[in-house]
Amino acid sequence: DAKTTQPTSMDCAEGRAANLPCNHSTISGNEYVYWYRQIHSQGPQYIIHGLKNNETNEMASLIITEDRKSSTLILPHATLRDTAVYYCIVRSRGTSGTYKYIFGTGTRLKVLA
Amino acid sequence: GAGVSQSPRYKVAKRGQDVALRCDPISGHVSLFWYQQALGQGPEFLTYFQNEAQLDKSGLPSDRFFAERPEGSVSTLKIQRTQQEDSAVYLCASSLSVTDNEQFFGPGTRLTVL
Repeated sequence: DAKTTQPTSMDCAEGRAANLPCNHSTISGNEYVYWYRQIHSQGPQYIIHGLKNNETNEMASLIITEDRKSSTLILPHATLRDTAVYYCIVRSRGTSGTYKYIFGTGTRLKVLA
Repeated sequence: GAGVSQSPRYKVAKRGQDVALRCDPISGHVSLFWYQQALGQGPEFLTYFQNEAQLDKSGLPSDRFFAERPEGSVSTLKIQRTQQEDSAVYLCASSLSVTDNEQFFGPGTRLTVL
């Protein structure tokens, strides 16, 4: 199963872009990269996902390198409510056909006023 | 609309007791997942249901852990003879279909074993 590596913590000034890196050097060709975030005492919340191409939605942008060994989540204008733990996840297909999430330890993002 | 709900939100058990944790997924969601999240760690996969069928239980840490979803909706995770190392947050997630891209997570049940 592919695993991800993320910095333990990052700070970002309110209103600035937050760029969260992730390494997934053992990812397979058909495995997707997902990003979730977890605000204290809540369950993880979906942000965005991608396979090869860069993706953008109303929450964030996802930049995936051409070799797919790393990616960056971009929050374009961070607010205090974006303070959370951000998980970069590889969605792996198990032997039973299950699509499983393999979480790492995540990046604790603190947005500063 | 209603999201995934879990009960109880907090559970304290004495070592050796049995516990049952409940998950109410979003109505109509086919897939249901259980995760275990230790303090300061990311969630770890425990088991997966497609409707009432438990297709993957590779993450269950021991035979003291048992999960069921008899009617393909509500699920229960049961832990027998709880140990201190079972202390964690247990998260439930559901998704609309097998290949659906987004899992919706509940708030979790925090289990503390004394």
